[in-house]
Amino acid sequence: ETGVTQTPRHLVMGMTNKKSLKCEQHLGHNAMYWYKQSAKKPLELMFVYSLEERVENNSVPSRFSPECPNSSHLFLHLHTLQPEDSALYLCASSQEGQASGANVLTFGAGSRLTVL
Amino acid sequence: SQELEQSPQSLIVQEGKNLTINCTSSKTLYGLYWYKQKYGEGLIFLMMLQKGGEEKSHEKITAKLDEKKQQSSLHITASQPSHAGIYLCGAALRVNQGAQKLVFGQGTRLTINP
Repeated sequence: ETGVTQTPRHLVMGMTNKKSLKCEQHLGHNAMYWYKQSAKKPLELMFVYSLEERVENNSVPSRFSPECPNSSHLFLHLHTLQPEDSALYLCASSQEGQASGANVLTFGAGSRLTVL
Repeated sequence: SQELEQSPQSLIVQEGKNLTINCTSSKTLYGLYWYKQKYGEGLIFLMMLQKGGEEKSHEKITAKLDEKKQQSSLHITASQPSHAGIYLCGAALRVNQGAQKLVFGQGTRLTINP
């Protein structure tokens, strides 16, 4: 248990479905992230939220819609996805503004998404 | 943009042997992070290096950042089955409003044979 909880752990959806991934952190961090991990590709950063404001949107298609209602919760809303969107979606959190400049991310266990 | 190249992409070693994984950056590194991932799970933080020439150890794992801060190595001594997994290096980049983000290499898959 890392302090970052993702639900569901596994999700199968059709291309016309609407679903959401949820992430909750219990570490008191002020930044949260969504990463996508596909087979044989490096981890891809999708979104960054710092102090509940989105500060990075890495050219992600609009069928992925993030929401950060407070510093402890992060959602990824999914709509009309494509089979190539099947991947492991990882949420992470960190404490920004450390005097050392360090930014250690704590990751959740991931949500394995399959789009049929 | 920052690119990280890890080598090798996969590695199979006999239990008890030593091994090294390398991470090379296209730009100067201002923070280099090593993570380990079990298949299908999240990443677990191992170590962070910031200064040129810095070296850190945790149990049987040692990580180094070279003087020019463009390459890092991860060395495991006397490998054990528990060391098996995917090792990823990450580099810190600054985004808007002072927030940072990590970009990662493609990972090295380590298998330990008993």
